[in-house]
Amino acid sequence: GDSVTQTEGQVTVSESKSLIINCTYSTTSIAYPNLFWYVRYPGEGLQLLLKVITAGQKGSSRGFEATYNKETTSFHLQKASVQESDSAVYYCALGDPPGYQNFYFGKGTSLTVIP
Amino acid sequence: GALVYQYPRRTICKSGTSMRMECQAVGFQATSVAWYRQSPQKTFELIALSTVNSAIKYEQNFTQEKFPISHPNLSFSSMTVLNAYLEDRGLYLCGAREGGNTEVFFGKGTRLTVV
Repeated sequence: GDSVTQTEGQVTVSESKSLIINCTYSTTSIAYPNLFWYVRYPGEGLQLLLKVITAGQKGSSRGFEATYNKETTSFHLQKASVQESDSAVYYCALGDPPGYQNFYFGKGTSLTVIP
Repeated sequence: GALVYQYPRRTICKSGTSMRMECQAVGFQATSVAWYRQSPQKTFELIALSTVNSAIKYEQNFTQEKFPISHPNLSFSSMTVLNAYLEDRGLYLCGAREGGNTEVFFGKGTRLTVV
């Protein structure tokens, strides 16, 4: 079946430093999956951070960006300069088109940004 | 905006008893509702997907007999954990989507503790 693997556990980064959270996926679907990054801030629910539904495209939001690379089956999340408010848990997710009958999450990466 | 409310946020039940959780969509029509469980140290696993006017589809390892789901209208869904045991503890997440939209909106989850 489909699966998503991302940088696991906790990541600590100093404020204003760069960040990369790795995400790779595998799918048995003939169609290319849609890829997402969700974020969960403390005490909040899952929120969509960004999504890319076309291979080769880049998604961006709140200074974060991720490029859908079908050759390496990757969708790494990057930010050039993190802020303390970015501290949250980040989840990479895959949705099988066309109807997201299956939506697979990675295990989540807990980011702590220290001042 | 589109919001999904889940309640209760936290609940404790005795081993062998049952617990019902609810999911309310506000600001959009929840054509599809998916229920997930995040067990300790694990990612979100899809339990079942419910689409209005269609049969509820359960994932492998999850059954209707254990996790009965109701999706009576376009704004509400509920799921019961029957005969709960320690392995059922975790965070239960509801994700809802309207029609063919690509975005899934999530609630904050119901955290189930079994004692």
